[in-house]
Amino acid sequence: DAGVIQSPRHEVTEMGQEVTLRCKPISGHDYLFWYRQTMMRGLELLIYFNNNVPIDDSGMPEDRFSAKMPNASFSTLKIQPSEPRDSAVYFCASSPKETQYFGPGTRLLVL
Amino acid sequence: DAKTTQPPSMDCAEGRAANLPCNHSTISGNEYVYWYRQIHSQGPQYIIHGLKNNETNEMASLIITEDRKSSTLILPHATLRDTAVYYCIVRAYTHGSSNTGKLIFGQGTTLQVKP
Repeated sequence: DAGVIQSPRHEVTEMGQEVTLRCKPISGHDYLFWYRQTMMRGLELLIYFNNNVPIDDSGMPEDRFSAKMPNASFSTLKIQPSEPRDSAVYFCASSPKETQYFGPGTRLLVL
Repeated sequence: DAKTTQPPSMDCAEGRAANLPCNHSTISGNEYVYWYRQIHSQGPQYIIHGLKNNETNEMASLIITEDRKSSTLILPHATLRDTAVYYCIVRAYTHGSSNTGKLIFGQGTTLQVKP
């Protein structure tokens, strides 16, 4: 298995632009998670899905952030409009039940 | 979920055992102790988890005290590739619960393995 796949690996954009991050979970995993990591705040859970249904989005910072999981093999995290404070590494993880398997992350820089 | 306390950093000589402590004095009876690590510029990686018995796998051993208020992760023969941030996380696990997946990461311990 290729593991959790994230794209793009790096993204540089200007303030106000829309940013879409993509994730393909490991096949057969029922849970999918989106995390954000910054030096100041560490690793934070943004939202997670179970069987494509959002279960807990209490970590989503504000309405500019949205996440979807249209099917079991694909999820997106969208930021619209983006701001410089959104600059971070965004990780996607999937899990069959207990253990979470993380992707390589997307490094986002908003200028 | 209970809070954990870890030293911010530790050093270990290559080839020696690395012992990483974690305090979780408010742990509840249904909460497991999980360890993950994050090597620089990579996503976190699962290491091991346990409830009350000591656990061992191909990566590490987990020693949990009898009162479950603290634990130690042991890397038996540390290598330079084990240099990473190690996270100790306490999480309730309820089979079939909608909260099954949630992990709360703290600041972790930065382990530096030196030649």
